[in-house]
Amino acid sequence: AQSVTQLDSQVPVFEEAPVELRCNYSSSVSVYLFWYVQYPNQGLQLLLKYLSGSTLVKGINGFEAEFNKSQTSFHLRKPSVHISDTAEYFCAVSDRGDYKLSFGAGTTVTVRA
Amino acid sequence: GAVVSQHPSWVICKSGTSVKIECRSLDFQATTMFWYRQFPKQSLMLMATSNEGSKATYEQGVEKDKFLINHASLTLSTLTVTSAHPEDSSFYICSGEREIVHNEQFFGPGTRLTVL
Repeated sequence: AQSVTQLDSQVPVFEEAPVELRCNYSSSVSVYLFWYVQYPNQGLQLLLKYLSGSTLVKGINGFEAEFNKSQTSFHLRKPSVHISDTAEYFCAVSDRGDYKLSFGAGTTVTVRA
Repeated sequence: GAVVSQHPSWVICKSGTSVKIECRSLDFQATTMFWYRQFPKQSLMLMATSNEGSKATYEQGVEKDKFLINHASLTLSTLTVTSAHPEDSSFYICSGEREIVHNEQFFGPGTRLTVL
């Protein structure tokens, strides 16, 4: 079984500043890793995913994440945020060969002008 | 593409009644659909996994007789909350996995259930 810890429940950030959302996971097997974004009153949208290969993954809307196996982390970053990036962000993990997702508690990002 | 809809978006019902929530994949065929429950300020918890034409697989602790799941076609799954009670009030979210794109779930907008 896997578990996901998102270390920051809320992240306030000014517009055009960088942001990093931290995610750590635990699993006894190899995993796939995901970041999802949830805008108010909307469903979850996939930002990016790591399945294999390069540990630096680029996603939509200028986001990227780096898989660090030794630290069991998958932190999400964006060099310059916009007001429209205000949303809830979820890190998720699934065991390889099992498509069930385990989610972290979420990080609320609030971007201020 | 890969849009999932849910209906209704919110529902209020009296304790003891049953509520049906529909989840539809609008532009793709979902071989597998998932149902999640999300409490305020908390994460999504997987309730069950359903494959078209077969019985759903429920996660530990989820009452299958209370949360009835039907996956009648590749584009429709329904969740029925039977004899709902206030503790069933929650945000219910479904997702569909597209046939040719494994490891990616497409999520619906969720249904807010309030049981009085």
